[in-house]
Amino acid sequence: DVKVTQSSRYLVKRTGEKVFLECVQDMDHENMFWYRQDPGLGLRLIYFSYDVKMKEKGDIPEGYSVSREKKERFSLILESASTNQTSMYLCASSPGGGPRIGQPQHFGDGTRLSIL
Amino acid sequence: DQQVKQNSPSLSVQEGRISILNCDYTNSMFDYFLWYKKYPAEGPTFLISISSIKDKNEDGRFTVFLNKSAKHLSLHIVPSQPGDSAVYFCASAPSDSWGKLQFGAGTQVVVTP
Repeated sequence: DVKVTQSSRYLVKRTGEKVFLECVQDMDHENMFWYRQDPGLGLRLIYFSYDVKMKEKGDIPEGYSVSREKKERFSLILESASTNQTSMYLCASSPGGGPRIGQPQHFGDGTRLSIL
Repeated sequence: DQQVKQNSPSLSVQEGRISILNCDYTNSMFDYFLWYKKYPAEGPTFLISISSIKDKNEDGRFTVFLNKSAKHLSLHIVPSQPGDSAVYFCASAPSDSWGKLQFGAGTQVVVTP
């Protein structure tokens, strides 16, 4: 079974802090994704990566950056945390290329981040 | 602007009856469609998918129907069970999108005894 592990289930940080969210997958997937989930808005893509050191902006990249130095690890960075970044953050991975039947994205259990 | 819309935020259904969840999309380039299920405090898990070359895909109690001309898909759960109580997300993407999915806002399903 694919395992996507997010380093923290709950995190509380202060406004202005630099925040790191870590994600590790164990299935040698090329693609990795960071989403945030907010009530009434569903899941929105922040950034994704299709290879080591490669990254692409998603729909809401402002205020975030990412790092992918190793294939299995994808980090989301909040450069200067703000209260509107309080949310549930979800990491996902999938095999390379575009979506295909039988190769859906696999998600971690999420990190509930609160910015005070 | 959301390209995938789930207009019913919640659905209540009796155990044993059919649950029908609906999803509309606006992007005519979408050709891959998925449903995910999410329990509280867990990540979404893949449920079922369909490509645009089909109009129906079935997996056990779950069937997804696709109407491309109407840009509409639906998920049928028959019979509904208490364990089906969860939030269901519809998602879609073009096949050349590197797996970038657009998600709907989700529908909370509650299955009552």
